[in-house]
Amino acid sequence: AQSVTQPDIHITVSEGASLELRCNYSYGATPYLFWYVQSPGQGLQLLLKYFSGDTLVQGIKGFEAEFKRSQSSFNLRKPSVHWSDAAEYFCAVGGIEYGNKLVFGAGTILRVKS
Amino acid sequence: DAGVIQSPRHEVTEMGQEVTLRCKPISGHNSLFWYRQTMMRGLELLIYFNNNVPIDDSGMPEDRFSAKMPNASFSTLKIQPSEPRDSAVYFCASSWDSRGQPQHFGDGTRLSIL
Repeated sequence: AQSVTQPDIHITVSEGASLELRCNYSYGATPYLFWYVQSPGQGLQLLLKYFSGDTLVQGIKGFEAEFKRSQSSFNLRKPSVHWSDAAEYFCAVGGIEYGNKLVFGAGTILRVKS
Repeated sequence: DAGVIQSPRHEVTEMGQEVTLRCKPISGHNSLFWYRQTMMRGLELLIYFNNNVPIDDSGMPEDRFSAKMPNASFSTLKIQPSEPRDSAVYFCASSWDSRGQPQHFGDGTRLSIL
């Protein structure tokens, strides 16, 4: 079965600093991978997805993620964090034999200090 | 385009009462998902439908929970009778039934059972 691990429950970065949020997945075949962001009181918003092709994918709000099959990872990055990026971030994995079900990680809460 | 619409946004009711949560998926999407989010358990998939048919309800916690999708533009999640441990944020999401498609989330219903 698929599974997703987000090792960091909380991360604090300074405004303007770079950011990397870690995501490791367990899945036997080529996964579909997603990053979502959730602001307080709101639903999850899709940041980016990996389906196939180029392993470095660009998303909204200046985020990018890189799929590394050898490390079973799909880490989210942003070169310069803004205070408005403070939110909770979820990594999710899907696979062809699971239809369009997704398994979500536990989330990483990002705090941005000025 | 309108996103996934959930109602009500907030519900406070007493233990033992029936609760009905509603969801209107994005027009044209043929998969619909109900999730529950709590601090303790994170984001849990309760049930999902493809083309109005329930495909996987293994996440429904017990018989007090039921979900229906009478047509492509409407779904309900019902709890009867409600208990304090049902307090959570309930999300509805929709997507195309095709591999690799992302799910689009509503803003959720915050449910409090007193």
